[in-house]
Amino acid sequence: EVQLVESGGGLVQPGGSLRISCAVSGLTFGSSWMSWVRQAPEKGLEWVANMNQDGSTLAYVDSVKGRFTISRDNAKNSLYLQMNNLRAEDTAVYYCARDAGWGAIDYWGQGTLVTVSS
Amino acid sequence: DVVMTQSPLSLPVTLGQPASISCRSSQSLVHSDGNTYLSWFQQRPGQSPRRLIYKVSNRDSGVPDRFSGSGSGTDFTLKITRVEAEDVGIYYCMQGTHWPYTFGQGTKLEIK
Repeated sequence: EVQLVESGGGLVQPGGSLRISCAVSGLTFGSSWMSWVRQAPEKGLEWVANMNQDGSTLAYVDSVKGRFTISRDNAKNSLYLQMNNLRAEDTAVYYCARDAGWGAIDYWGQGTLVTVSS
Repeated sequence: DVVMTQSPLSLPVTLGQPASISCRSSQSLVHSDGNTYLSWFQQRPGQSPRRLIYKVSNRDSGVPDRFSGSGSGTDFTLKITRVEAEDVGIYYCMQGTHWPYTFGQGTKLEIK
């Protein structure tokens, strides 16, 4: 059974930092592109970032460039998102997702809620 | 960025009746490799999204055959032949041809 389990979400003040993680099992993590997708409360889906199998190719949505960093540890089957200089508009459920290629996201985690508020 | 525009945004449907959702892109979604990277996702209340369709018309394993995808270029459609109660939720199209990937606003399907 494929499982993507996010953790590390919580309440953080504006300007603060947070690192969220995703533990993956049941699929060949080291052979997979991985993505982060977020969903603000009562809003739609927004793709945030992704990374190829060995971490040599990264991409970010403009609104997080320079503030968020996606990374992975293939030995631990884990994906990470380091979020710095957080803003209120970053408040969302963050989903870890496996990208089967060109956005064909076929597996999603249950999400972790990040709330940016003073 | 490629803008994905869905219509309608709200879709009340009688059980057993068909439903159709349109998704239009601001640019052609035909990739240089010849493929069109357009997917459809379903998000049931309180759940994570689930992929239904990839590359315009390929249905995922376990997805009922009442769901179908079609279209080309900039104009795409998700159809449900006979809506069932379990189909309630929000449906999103998403393009993966151009960076960054972008989603449509979502279409909320409800039972009339």
